[in-house]
Amino acid sequence: EIVLTQSPGTLSLSPGERATLSCRASQSVSRNYLAWYQQKPDQAPRLLIYGASSRATGIPDRFSGSGSGTDFTLTISRLEPEDFAVYYCQQCGSSPWTFGQGTKVEIK
Amino acid sequence: QVQLQESGPGLVKPSETLSLTCTVSGGSVTSGSYYWTWIRQPPGKGLEWIGYISYSGSTNYNPSLKSRVTMSVDTSKNQFSLKLTSVTAADTAVYYCAGPYGTFDFWGQGTLVTVSS
Repeated sequence: EIVLTQSPGTLSLSPGERATLSCRASQSVSRNYLAWYQQKPDQAPRLLIYGASSRATGIPDRFSGSGSGTDFTLTISRLEPEDFAVYYCQQCGSSPWTFGQGTKVEIK
Repeated sequence: QVQLQESGPGLVKPSETLSLTCTVSGGSVTSGSYYWTWIRQPPGKGLEWIGYISYSGSTNYNPSLKSRVTMSVDTSKNQFSLKLTSVTAADTAVYYCAGPYGTFDFWGQGTLVTVSS
């Protein structure tokens, strides 16, 4: 099983700042099948990034994904008020599919 | 646009079977090489992949739950279902259905299932 470790656990930033979230895999993610989701309280997660770097439909271009193999990054270039949420990475390159434990981006 | 909606009891007794259904609208449950997934989230915790059933009916379950999980598809109702046997308090969670591939563009709104006597 691929374990995804996200860091930091919590990121305290101000609107307008840049957010950099990390997701490290315990082994290489096949074909870079790595996705990022955003979850707000009492809502289902929303797909942001798939294939490590492709934005999902309707996702603003301030969200970008990068990385390959075992190290992946989600960057939010300038935080908007609606971006404060929990972010999860997920891999589907190997079974069982797994999620990271999440990074909370909170208002400083 | 595909929409998903979970349904089922919100309260299940310990040792009994949790049964949930996900109704698919705006698309067919058997079309497009889709994989229909169940995911759960205990209160205040992270996401756990339970497993999927494919458009062809093949299944893949999380090894941690495999002995207790069964998924099925009802093409006549455009639904797919989850059964989890011998539940305990540790199975209390919001259960989501999602799809249509290994990354999840579409999610149901989630349904809270509480295991309690």
